[in-house]
Amino acid sequence: NAGVMQNPRHLVRRRGQEARLRCSPVKGHSHVYWYRQLPEEGLKFMVYLQKENIIDESGMPKERFSAEFPKEGPSILRIQQVVRGDSAAYFCASSPLEGNYGYTFGSGTRLTVV
Amino acid sequence: QKEVEQDPGPLSVPEGAIVSLNCTYSNSAFQYFMWYRQYSRKGPELLMYTYSSGNKEDGRFTAQVDKSSKYISLFIRDSQPSDSATYLCAMSVAGSQGNLIFGKGTKLSVKP
Repeated sequence: NAGVMQNPRHLVRRRGQEARLRCSPVKGHSHVYWYRQLPEEGLKFMVYLQKENIIDESGMPKERFSAEFPKEGPSILRIQQVVRGDSAAYFCASSPLEGNYGYTFGSGTRLTVV
Repeated sequence: QKEVEQDPGPLSVPEGAIVSLNCTYSNSAFQYFMWYRQYSRKGPELLMYTYSSGNKEDGRFTAQVDKSSKYISLFIRDSQPSDSATYLCAMSVAGSQGNLIFGKGTKLSVKP
């Protein structure tokens, strides 16, 4: 019974490139959440998605960031034209039900922008 | 004032000690309270999940929520070296399922 799978584990991008982070939720989970953890900072909420719908994107930067959770396939967090300040660990979590606040987190993708 | 405050530590205790970890918060609308454990370079792992006030026990772990004081605690009994990790508190308001507000975490080291 695989948990939340994130790939890649590590991603290095040059400034101005695009970063694509993938998240496969626990089998049967239809709710996906993305969080960002900056060095020396706590986890910050970015976006909450259900299949084919964005439910809450109040934590997403207005520019360059987008997320999707298609009917088939993993959830994707996309960062266009990356800058050094985007360097962080990005975690995906999933839950099975609306109203269930106990998430299962993946091991994260560590993005480094050089 | 930050929404959730958590002492970053580090906290170092001998094996077998009782550990007390705490968070305070300012938003009285928080209804759901969680504790996560995060090992280095790993994702957070849910330890305890409580709704509203009260105590909850699971093995060596006890979570307490005091909404009148806006204060939550996690107690670890008979601590083990394998408990060495960063402990994160998290909380959420009802109807805002996706948006957990996390503390910065307390780094715990249990010495054999």
